[in-house]
Amino acid sequence: AQKITQTQPGMFVQEKEAVTLDCTYDTSDQSYGLFWYKQPSSGEMIFLIYQGSYDEQNATEGRYSLNFQKARKSANLVISASQLGDSAMYFCAMRAPPDGGNQFYFGTGTSLTVIP
Amino acid sequence: DGGITQSPKYLFRKEGQNVTLSCEQNLNHDAMYWYRQDPGQGLRLIYYSQIVNDFQKGDIAEGYSVSREKKESFPLTVTSAQKNPTAFYLCASSLAGEPQHFGDGTRLSIL
Repeated sequence: AQKITQTQPGMFVQEKEAVTLDCTYDTSDQSYGLFWYKQPSSGEMIFLIYQGSYDEQNATEGRYSLNFQKARKSANLVISASQLGDSAMYFCAMRAPPDGGNQFYFGTGTSLTVIP
Repeated sequence: DGGITQSPKYLFRKEGQNVTLSCEQNLNHDAMYWYRQDPGQGLRLIYYSQIVNDFQKGDIAEGYSVSREKKESFPLTVTSAQKNPTAFYLCASSLAGEPQHFGDGTRLSIL
């Protein structure tokens, strides 16, 4: 069975500092995709970053980077230079396999608060 | 602009009543999904559809029904059999291998 685990219910970070949000996953598939989404208090889900299981380089998108450690089955999100607008819920998700079955699996989320 | 439109934004249900949540997309995506989110919780899959006229149950399908008569539309009906329907409902769509795109959600409450 596929499973996503986010062990940090809430995190605090000082403005302009970097923060790491943890995500571990469990799958028996060799081919899979990992995603991070941001959900502000207004409720919409915003796609942030994607990592494929065969990608050798860690994904980066602006201030977001994904620390992918395949052997440990972890896909942590790193947000650099935190801004007040980064305060939101963050969800890790997995799709397995990435080009076949279309089912996504979500973690329970981490609430990030950026402190001025 | 392409996107996913969910309506209404807020919905109230009386006891014993069925209500239907609308989800329309103009992204030409094949797959569409419905999720339920309870306060402080993650997303739980209700139903998903990979092609027109076909859909599969997710983890919490009991008390819900869907249809997929057109590629663009995937309405969700919350039936009276769903005893605890108060939640935030999110619709999403995707292409194979691509991230999901989400609508802005519908908040359903019981009167």
